[in-house]
Amino acid sequence: DSGVTQTPKHLITATGQRVTLRCSPRSGDLSVYWYQQSLDQGLQFLIQYYNGEERAKGNILERFSAQQFPDLHSELNLSSLELGDSALYFCASSVALGTADYGYTFGSGTRLTVV
Amino acid sequence: GENVEQHPSTLSVQEGDSAVIKCTYSDSASNYFPWYKQELGKGPQLIIDIRSNVGEKKDQRIAVTLNKTAKHFSLHITETQPEDSAVYFCAASIKALFGNEKLTFGTGTRLTIIP
Repeated sequence: DSGVTQTPKHLITATGQRVTLRCSPRSGDLSVYWYQQSLDQGLQFLIQYYNGEERAKGNILERFSAQQFPDLHSELNLSSLELGDSALYFCASSVALGTADYGYTFGSGTRLTVV
Repeated sequence: GENVEQHPSTLSVQEGDSAVIKCTYSDSASNYFPWYKQELGKGPQLIIDIRSNVGEKKDQRIAVTLNKTAKHFSLHITETQPEDSAVYFCAASIKALFGNEKLTFGTGTRLTIIP
């Protein structure tokens, strides 16, 4: 157990629907990062939150949004889902100052299947 | 922004032999280079990292080397074992004013150890 908790582990939904993925970072970690991993693809950065505020944004679609709450858990909202959104979605939290100085700890991911 | 290239995309080695995975980065301001191992159905896990003030680092059977001039770094696994089979990702992080920026990942190497 890495200490980063992601729920749900699996999600199957239909095109056009909206889903919410949840992440709880390791205790004490202030930054949360979201990554998308499609089949046989690398890790594509979506967005970073630090202590409740958006810190960096990657190639995140306008249909996707995220937020970090006062208790530091984060949610990634995916709407108007398309088949191509099927992927593994990982959350990671970083140690020490909420930056990447010491790398990340990843959760086990949410596998989203859009049918 | 940073761009990280990783080679090869797949690698098969006989058990007991060595494996080498290579990465190059584009931004000379990058100063932190971690390696992650992702086993099937799991999130990536940090296995070793190196900073720009060090040329080589070892941890039992794994080692990482860094050539700042050429902007490339490599992962070396010696005496490979079946449990080393996984996807390996390199990453780089740029030093910023208030701490390192997000990690940029390579595209991954699928390592298969042949018994």
